[in-house]
Amino acid sequence: AQSVSQHNHHVILSEAASLELGCNYSYGGTVNLFWYVQYPGQHLQLLLKYFSGDPLVKGIKGFEAEFIKSKFSFNLRKPSVQWSDTAEYFCAVSNFNKFYFGSGTKLNVKP
Amino acid sequence: DAGVIQSPRHEVTEMGQEVTLRCKLISGHNSLFWYRQTMMRGLELLIYFNNNVPIDDSGMPEDRFSAKMPNASFSTLKIQPSEPRDSAVYFCASSPRLAGAVYTGELFFGEGSRLTVL
Repeated sequence: AQSVSQHNHHVILSEAASLELGCNYSYGGTVNLFWYVQYPGQHLQLLLKYFSGDPLVKGIKGFEAEFIKSKFSFNLRKPSVQWSDTAEYFCAVSNFNKFYFGSGTKLNVKP
Repeated sequence: DAGVIQSPRHEVTEMGQEVTLRCKLISGHNSLFWYRQTMMRGLELLIYFNNNVPIDDSGMPEDRFSAKMPNASFSTLKIQPSEPRDSAVYFCASSPRLAGAVYTGELFFGEGSRLTVL
């Protein structure tokens, strides 16, 4: 079965620090890759997605992610975080009809 | 466009009672997913439907859980009888799928139903 690993469970940063959240998946075939964000008390919202093409994907709010096929990775980055980025971030992988979510990374940005 | 609509937003019930959670898909979407989120286990896929047909229910924890999709725009998740360990936030998500094509769409989540079983 497919699995998605997010290595950082809880990250604490100060404002303006750079962010990188790791995501690795286990499936070797064609996959679609997503990052979702869940702000406190809210539902999951799409941050960015990769289907094909340029492996560097830009999303909303200054986030980007890079797909490295050889490493089965899809890491999320942001050069300078803000307090409003405090949320939980989920990596997800889909193939055909099934979505697999990682366990999530809680990001706490201190003002 | 209205998003995925879930009801109730909050439900507090006593152990042994029946619980029914409801979900209305985004118009035009034909795939529906039910997820459960807890602190201990994170986000778990319970079941998903495509064109009203259940495709994979391997995530449904036990026979106390059942899900239906009586029409193309509506689904219910029922727990009978409920137990305290069922306490969680239940999310419904929908997605479009092109006919005859490999599924590639993103999921659109509802606001969730927070269930507390005492």
